[in-house]
Amino acid sequence: DADVTQTPRNRITKTGKRIMLECSQTKGHDRMYWYRQDPGLGLQLIYYSFDVKDINKGEISDGYSVSRQAQAKFSLSLESAIPNQTALYFCATSGAGNTGELFFGEGSRLTVL
Amino acid sequence: SQQGEEDPQALSIQEGENATMNCSYKTSINNLQWYRQNSGRGLVHLILIRSNEREKHSGRLRVTLDTSKKSSSLLITASRAADTASYFCATKNTGGFKTIFGAGTRLFVKA
Repeated sequence: DADVTQTPRNRITKTGKRIMLECSQTKGHDRMYWYRQDPGLGLQLIYYSFDVKDINKGEISDGYSVSRQAQAKFSLSLESAIPNQTALYFCATSGAGNTGELFFGEGSRLTVL
Repeated sequence: SQQGEEDPQALSIQEGENATMNCSYKTSINNLQWYRQNSGRGLVHLILIRSNEREKHSGRLRVTLDTSKKSSSLLITASRAADTASYFCATKNTGGFKTIFGAGTRLFVKA
């Protein structure tokens, strides 16, 4: 089984709908992240969490919210999806050490029509 | 905003040739990392080089870091068709908590 699991892997939705992307991990890491990737571009940080009680905005948090339900679970919500939120979304984890090495899920491809 | 910028944006080579990708960044860093992404898949960590290191090897990978020029290079020797992927540099800034990615280099290795 994958260490970092994202669901759903693919989702097509309509403008204005609320969408939740879920992430769970078995690595025992405290730190979890949500990134967005647009075609041909790098990754932009949406939100990150260093423990269950710690949530921080990243570079592009507008239009998104997150919930850290447990050490192993970190979900991303789009309250009212819009077409320019069509992208590939990645969840990642990192350990307590200070290297910043990230472990990624396989991604959730979201299309907003 | 992106911290690292990779060069070239795309690279096409023949199997067996070496592939070199470059990364430039803007601020002081704690370390620099290279990741690989197969099409539409998650990123996989390849190698990390700390700010006090100048060169590091892992199998067919060689990474160099020049902090005075704020640049790094990734060399893949004796490339294989299976090396076809996008390669990203990522930096962890001094005193920072986030890992910031560049836009990546798309490598295509022809068999």
